[in-house]
Amino acid sequence: KNQVEQSPQSLIILEGKNCTLQCNYTVSPFSNLRWYKQDTGRGPVSLTIMTFSENTKSNGRYTATLDADTKQSSLHITASQLSDSASYICVVSDGTGGFKTIFGAGTRLFVKA
Amino acid sequence: DAGVIQSPRHEVTEMGQEVTLRCKPISGHDYLFWYRQTMMRGLELLIYFNNNVPIDDSGMPEDRFSAKMPNASFSTLKIQPSEPRDSAVYFCASSLSARGLGSPLHFGNGTRLTVT
Repeated sequence: KNQVEQSPQSLIILEGKNCTLQCNYTVSPFSNLRWYKQDTGRGPVSLTIMTFSENTKSNGRYTATLDADTKQSSLHITASQLSDSASYICVVSDGTGGFKTIFGAGTRLFVKA
Repeated sequence: DAGVIQSPRHEVTEMGQEVTLRCKPISGHDYLFWYRQTMMRGLELLIYFNNNVPIDDSGMPEDRFSAKMPNASFSTLKIQPSEPRDSAVYFCASSLSARGLGSPLHFGNGTRLTVT
């Protein structure tokens, strides 16, 4: 069964600190993996996308990694800011065509001053 | 670009009533998606359209749910009759297929539905 599991479920960090969020998936065949940021009361916004051949992708203070062999991805946030407080959702698309995407449950990040 | 526009932002209705959610996708996008988000189940794909044609509605929970896309700039999701378990945030998203399966989804800000 295609699944996407994220950890931790929630995380509290101090402003300025770094953190890493994890995503493990069992989706096969694999097409691509995205990380989305969802602010409270808003829709998700795409941060990064990675395909099978990519293992690192950066977007400002956000760096995503992908290990297609172990089917793991991580999202690293550097020098966190209060505005980073949000849910981060890992989304994996399968390679069967169409838009079959499997969403993780998300990690809720709280950045405190 | 105004992004994906959804209305209403909040909807409170009584069980048994008909509910209609509306969506205007980003101009030029040829894919439109309806999602439902709850604390228990996260984001679930209900249905998606390509060039106004429904492609996959396997995520629609039951016959009480229906979706239409009469033209490229408008879509509706209707629930009739509504039930308390339909309470959730419903998101509309659009995408441009020209960039292939790697095209990002552009989400609206959702409609929070409460059925009492």
